[in-house]
Amino acid sequence: GQNIDQPTEMTATEGAIVQINCTYQTSGFNGLFWYQQHAGEAPTFLSYNVLDGLEEKGRFSSFLSRSKGYSYLLLKELQMKDSASYLCAVRDTSRTDKLIFGTGTRLQVFP
Amino acid sequence: EADIYQTPRYLVIGTGKKITLECSQTMGHDKMYWYQQDPGMELHLIHYSYGVNSTEKGDLSSESTVSRIRTEHFPLTLESARPSHTSQYLCASSPLTSGQETQYFGPGTRLLVL
Repeated sequence: GQNIDQPTEMTATEGAIVQINCTYQTSGFNGLFWYQQHAGEAPTFLSYNVLDGLEEKGRFSSFLSRSKGYSYLLLKELQMKDSASYLCAVRDTSRTDKLIFGTGTRLQVFP
Repeated sequence: EADIYQTPRYLVIGTGKKITLECSQTMGHDKMYWYQQDPGMELHLIHYSYGVNSTEKGDLSSESTVSRIRTEHFPLTLESARPSHTSQYLCASSPLTSGQETQYFGPGTRLLVL
């Protein structure tokens, strides 16, 4: 079946670095997405990985290892506004490329 | 910047009422989706469409129905609302291309059925 696991909650301090892990088990794979969702708002796209390796985009980086079914989102120089939920989603080719979402990791950044 | 809109943003309604949640996008995207999300839980796909006159049920069984008469419009209807329908409903769209098909989300509709 399909399964996406990520920690439920994490805390960090302003200016620090935090890594949010995501492991997945899906019948097919055609890309992994990270979304940010502030409380009461819609998810917004952060990053996309389809090949192994690291994708860097400003303060945010995302890593993928397809053989391990593993990804992480790395947030550097944390700011208070980074307090949000971070959703890991996998596009599953066995399900006509629909996205399977994890429950999200709620990150709280403290001053 | 994604241009996808949902109305209403918040809705409180009594049991048995018929409601329609509106979703429209101005990006010309062929693919549109409806997700249901309870607080602290994952998004569950309840309906999707790959173009005009195309609608499919998603992974989570839902008593709602959808229609896709125009590319930009994908409304969701509940014929008779029940308290179990209380949730947040998120609409999304993406282009019909291969590769990185980012889904753009609307602001969501928070539904409370009393």
